[in-house]
Amino acid sequence: QVQLQESGPGLVKPSETLSLTCTVSGGSITNHFWSWIRQSPGKGLEWIAYIHTNGRSNYNPSLKSRLTTSLDASKNQLSLTLSSVTAADTATYHCARHGNLNRGVDWFDPWGRGTLVIVSS
Amino acid sequence: QSVLTQPPSVSGAPGQRVTISCSGSSSNIGAGYDVHWYQQLPGTAPKILIFADTNRPSGVPDRFSGSKYGSSASLAITGLQAEDEADYYCQSYDPSLSNSYIFGTGTKVIVL
Repeated sequence: QVQLQESGPGLVKPSETLSLTCTVSGGSITNHFWSWIRQSPGKGLEWIAYIHTNGRSNYNPSLKSRLTTSLDASKNQLSLTLSSVTAADTATYHCARHGNLNRGVDWFDPWGRGTLVIVSS
Repeated sequence: QSVLTQPPSVSGAPGQRVTISCSGSSSNIGAGYDVHWYQQLPGTAPKILIFADTNRPSGVPDRFSGSKYGSSASLAITGLQAEDEADYYCQSYDPSLSNSYIFGTGTKVIVL
C-alpha cells in the first residue's frame, strides 16, 4: 500500500522560498505522475503542479513563475520549491499520486496527509 | 482558483438521500471531461470516492453514486450515515486554463 508523507518548514517569512519534500513508501515513484495540491480555508483545493520521472511536468499558470519541482528516484522522493512567498501561500500542502484509466482525466489517489505552511514574519 | 461550483453545505437525517451538485462550464465538464469526487473526513487527507463520473473504487459503499449531465455533475449519498459527515469535493480538467486540474469549492455534508 503506497503511502505519502510530506515534510516542510512549518513557518516561512514573506518573500522567502518554501521548500517541501514528499517521501513515498510502499511503491516506486517511477512510471507514475505525481502532483502537489494545496488546501487553504479561503481558496479550497488548488492544484499546483505535476511531474513524472520521464521528465513531463506542468504547472498551475498562476504559480508557474515561482515554482520548481523535481523527483529523486534514488530516494523515492518528490520536491517542490515556491519562491517569493506571501501570506496567500499559507496552506496545507499535499502530494498525491495520479490514478487513471489510460484515457480521460487523471484523479489523485492516494494523498499524503499534508504539511501546514504558514507564511508570516 | 475553484472553477467548479458546489453548495457550501447540505444536510439530511440518517437514512435520507442527499445530493451534491458540481457546476462547471463548456470548457471543462461540458466539454466531456471526467469528474471525480473526493471525501475528506475531519483531520484527514481527501480520499477518492468516485472516479470517471460514475465509478466506485473497491471499498467504497454503493450508497455513493455519481452522475454527469451537460456542464454539471452530481454526487448522491443514499441511506445517509453519521460517518458520512465530511467535506466533499469534485475535480475535473480544463484545457483553457493551461491544462490545469480544477477542483470544486467543496460541500460540507451535515448529518442531523
